[in-house]
Amino acid sequence: EAGVAQSPRYKIIEKRQSVAFWCNPISGHATLYWYQQILGQGPKLLIQFQNNGVVDDSQLPKDRFSAERLKGVDSTLKIQPAKLEDSAVYLCASSLEGGPNGELFFGEGSRLTVL
Amino acid sequence: AQTVTQSQPEMSVQEAETVTLSCTYDTSESDYYLFWYKQPPSRQMILVIRQEAYKQQNATENRFSVNFQKAAKSFSLKISDSQLGDAAMYFCAYRSYLGSRLTFGEGTQLTVNP
Repeated sequence: EAGVAQSPRYKIIEKRQSVAFWCNPISGHATLYWYQQILGQGPKLLIQFQNNGVVDDSQLPKDRFSAERLKGVDSTLKIQPAKLEDSAVYLCASSLEGGPNGELFFGEGSRLTVL
Repeated sequence: AQTVTQSQPEMSVQEAETVTLSCTYDTSESDYYLFWYKQPPSRQMILVIRQEAYKQQNATENRFSVNFQKAAKSFSLKISDSQLGDAAMYFCAYRSYLGSRLTFGEGTQLTVNP
């Protein structure tokens, strides 16, 4: 079974530029998550989708971050304009169900460096 | 809001020995789930073990076991017969019974010495 796919694995941009990350969850997984992991910290949830609807985006900085999950499958996370503090690894995860019993499967992440 | 604290930024263990990683959490809920995740240098988070708060019996998965103390809000991970492949960052995480958001601790970097 294929795992959660993410791209690109690495991205370097200058502040005020824009960037987009792509995630393809495990086939059949209805729930998709984007986490931000700053160096030396644990991951923090940015947004959770159930199919193509947003369940939780309370920690998403909406002035610069946006995410979409068209057709309830792939998802894109965009940052525009980027700030220095956005340097982090962006982890995508998916689960079969969105409740507390749904085990999360993580991708390898996309590392963003903002100069 | 729930918080998760891992007070050991780094730990080391000799191969074949036993090591315990500590985790405490703060919550006002009575039903919840606790997890330990492993993150190797490849960055892919892997679930190690999970504990339901309503279960008094400590979870065990092969060489990995937990010591769950609900009253003390403590959830430690014991790794027996440590192997070189156990070297990784370990994260403790909390999940409400009513939701699906994972709240992670800061992580403990485990080194296994040959």
